[in-house]
Amino acid sequence: GENVEQHPSTLSVQEGDSAVIKCTYSDSASNYFPWYKQELGKGPQLIIDIRSNVGEKKDQRIAVTLNKTAKHFSLHITETQPEDSAVYFCAASRGGSYIPTFGRGTSLIVHP
Amino acid sequence: KAGVTQTPRYLIKTRGQQVTLSCSPISGHRSVSWYQQTPGQGLQFLFEYFSETQRNKGNFPGRFSGRQFSNSRSEMNVSTLELGDSALYLCASSLGPEEEQFFGPGTRLTVL
Repeated sequence: GENVEQHPSTLSVQEGDSAVIKCTYSDSASNYFPWYKQELGKGPQLIIDIRSNVGEKKDQRIAVTLNKTAKHFSLHITETQPEDSAVYFCAASRGGSYIPTFGRGTSLIVHP
Repeated sequence: KAGVTQTPRYLIKTRGQQVTLSCSPISGHRSVSWYQQTPGQGLQFLFEYFSETQRNKGNFPGRFSGRQFSNSRSEMNVSTLELGDSALYLCASSLGPEEEQFFGPGTRLTVL
C-alpha cells in the first residue's frame, strides 16, 4: 500500500520567515495530494491541494509543488505569522477511491 | 452554514464495552468518512460512506463498523473496546466522493 513520509516533524521559525515541509510517497498511481492544517482541539482543515496534472499551485502565502518523477511534494509558506502555528499534514491518494494515506505531521511554531 | 458536528466530544469507556459515535455532516453533503488519530499511528482512514453505502474501508479489525442514514448522518461503532482504541475519532463530510473534505472537531475516546 501507499506510504507517505513527512519531514521535518518539528519546524521552528521566526515571524516573517518562510517554512517548507516535504513529503515523499511510494505509490506511483497516487494522483491527489492535499495538505491539512490542524490547530489544537480542532479537526484538520484543508489548506491547499494539488493533482498530478500540475506541478505547482499557489494560494496567497501558501504554495505546493509536486515532482511526480521523484514522488515528492512540498508545502511552502511565506511571510509566516504566529497564527500559522499548527500541525500540518500531507496526504496522498488515488483517484477513484479516496483512501488518503497521511504523513505523520509537522508541528510548525512561528515565534513573534 | 453549520460545520460538521460530532457527538459526544469526549467519552470514557472501559475495556470490553462498546461505543457508538455520531456525525452530522454539513447540510447537502452526502459523503462521510471516518478517521482515527493517535500519537503512535497518526491519522488513519477507517471507512467512507456515500448514499448509505460503504465505498471504502481502511485496514481496521471487524470490531470497527459504521453506517450512514438516509439523511447522510453517520455513526460508527466499536465493540469490545481495547486500550489501544483510545484516540481522537474524526468525521469528515464532502459533497460527494473525491470532493474536498471538511472535518469535524472529533470525539476523544479514552478506554480505561
